[in-house]
Amino acid sequence: KQEVTQIPAALSVPEGENLVLNCSFTDSAIYNLQWFRQDPGKGLTSLLLIQSSQREQTSGRLNASLDKSSGRSTLYIAASQPGDSATYLCAVDSGTYKYIFGTGTRLKVLA
Amino acid sequence: DTGVSQDPRHKITKRGQNVTFRCDPISEHNRLYWYRQTLGQGPEFLTYFQNEAQLEKSRLLSDRFSAERPKGSFSTLEIQRTEQGDSAMYLCASSFQDRYVHGYTFGSGTRLTVV
Repeated sequence: KQEVTQIPAALSVPEGENLVLNCSFTDSAIYNLQWFRQDPGKGLTSLLLIQSSQREQTSGRLNASLDKSSGRSTLYIAASQPGDSATYLCAVDSGTYKYIFGTGTRLKVLA
Repeated sequence: DTGVSQDPRHKITKRGQNVTFRCDPISEHNRLYWYRQTLGQGPEFLTYFQNEAQLEKSRLLSDRFSAERPKGSFSTLEIQRTEQGDSAMYLCASSFQDRYVHGYTFGSGTRLTVV
């Protein structure tokens, strides 16, 4: 049974810092992995999708990496801004058409 | 196409009442999913449709819950005899059958509060 864990649960950093959010999963046989952002009380916004054959994806200040053998993905945010404050969720698709989500990392970027 | 739309955004209901939520997926997507998210947790899978066929229901979906997707377009999620434990964000997502390239697209969710 696939389980997804995100560490840390919460993070508070000053503006301008580079930061890394971690996601680990127990079953390395994944189809793809998707990172989402969720603002309080809102739905999920897709940030990056990494297919199982890929090692990383980049979009602007965001870079996500995938290491299937170790069951880990990281989301790197460069030069953080107060507007980056949100909850970041990692979701794993193990080929069963349903995503398994972690509990998220709540990020606060201080001005 | 403006993405996945959910209606209403918020619903407050009294315990024991029935509620219905609607989801309009991206028109090109033939798969539609419902998830439930409680405070401080990640979303949990409830059910999914391929076109009009409901192919799986989670055990989280009790007999009080029913979902439909007539004609393979929009979907409704109905909760009968609501309980306080049903209070949550209900999220709808859609995808192509081959989600390998694009993954899921989620809507803004419907927040249900049962009082």
